[in-house]
Amino acid sequence: AQSVTQLGSHVSVSEGALVLLRCNYSSSVPPYLFWYVQYPNQGLQLLLKYTTGATLVKGINGFEAEFKKSETSFHLTKPSAHMSDAAEYFCAVIPSGGGADGLTFGKGTHLIIQP
Amino acid sequence: DAGVIQSPRHEVTEMGQEVTLRCKPISGHDYLFWYRQTMMRGLELLIYFNNNVPIDDSGMPEDRFSAKMPNASFSTLKIQPSEPRDSAVYFCASSLGGPRNQPQHFGDGTRLSIL
Repeated sequence: AQSVTQLGSHVSVSEGALVLLRCNYSSSVPPYLFWYVQYPNQGLQLLLKYTTGATLVKGINGFEAEFKKSETSFHLTKPSAHMSDAAEYFCAVIPSGGGADGLTFGKGTHLIIQP
Repeated sequence: DAGVIQSPRHEVTEMGQEVTLRCKPISGHDYLFWYRQTMMRGLELLIYFNNNVPIDDSGMPEDRFSAKMPNASFSTLKIQPSEPRDSAVYFCASSLGGPRNQPQHFGDGTRLSIL
């Protein structure tokens, strides 16, 4: 069974600083990987995803993530944090080889932006 | 474009009562997912449908929970009888094709409180 671990339930950065949100997966075969963002009282919105090909993936709002197979990681970064980035971020996986279509989500990381 | 529409947005009811949550997916989408979000367990997939047919209901916690999709534009999640531990935010999501290839679009959720 696959699982997702997000290190740090809360991450606080200053406005303009680098954002780094960590995600590690556990799977015998590298899965497809996703990052979603959830703003207060809203549903989740896809930021970016990795399936195959280039391991550095660019998403919306200036975010990007790099798939590192050797580290079983898919960390999310943004060079310069903005106040509007404050939200809950979820890493998710799905088996790459087919089968069930349901996403498995991490517990989430709450990103706090300090002025 | 109208997104995924969930109703009601908030529901407060007493233990033992029947609760029905409703979802209207984006027109033309062939996948529909029901998720539950709690502080303790995070975001969990309950059940998903493909072309109105339930494909995987292994996440449904117990027989008190049931979900239906009578047509392509409507789905319900029913809890009978409800218990305080069912209190959570329930999300519906839809996609055109499975999440490996297409993003899931989430509704804003139903916040359910069982007293």
